[in-house]
Amino acid sequence: DARVTQTPRHKVTEMGQEVTMRCQPILGHNTVFWYRQTMMQGLELLAYFRNRAPLDDSGMPKDRFSAEMPDATLATLKIQPSEPRDSAVYFCASGYGRGGHEQFFGPGTRLTVL
Amino acid sequence: AQKVTQAQTEISVVEKEDVTLDCVYETRDTTYYLFWYKQPPSGELVFLIRRNSFDEQNEISGRYSWNFQKSTSSFNFTITASQVVDSAVYFCALSDSNTGNQFYFGTGTSLTVIP
Repeated sequence: DARVTQTPRHKVTEMGQEVTMRCQPILGHNTVFWYRQTMMQGLELLAYFRNRAPLDDSGMPKDRFSAEMPDATLATLKIQPSEPRDSAVYFCASGYGRGGHEQFFGPGTRLTVL
Repeated sequence: AQKVTQAQTEISVVEKEDVTLDCVYETRDTTYYLFWYKQPPSGELVFLIRRNSFDEQNEISGRYSWNFQKSTSSFNFTITASQVVDSAVYFCALSDSNTGNQFYFGTGTSLTVIP
């Protein structure tokens, strides 16, 4: 049963520290998405990639967030420096094709910035 | 512009009652796709169904059924004989062929099934 995996599952850090979240998409999927979920904002798309190329990162605060896909099996989301308002659950999802296909979500990383 | 509206923020039903979750969407594209996801208390988002704009047939899967009506831009989800395990937040989402798989999610409906 293929699944998207995310590490770490939980992260508590202090303001100003760097945070790196990792995602392994389902083998064969060519699109990867990063979402942030908070009570106030709901699910927000931060960035997405197709065939490892970034297609849209307009939802991401550029000054502190960065997203990369070093290879087809790994996507990373980095926050530097982190702030308390970054506390949220960060989801990675993967899919395939150019459009209209379902996305499969990972279990999420619950980030708390003190 | 694409938009998904789930007007029901929270719903509570007693076990075995039927419940319908509403989803209204907006898009200018003629080709688009609609989805429902379930987010149980464990937090993971679980894919339930995908529908394309050319297929208005209703779908039934066990106790779940979906009613897609282009005339009213709605894609409603009904749970028959609800169970406690159905308690979750349910999200409706829209994707069109021009946005490369990008989803537009509704704000979700939190369903509580009371035993």
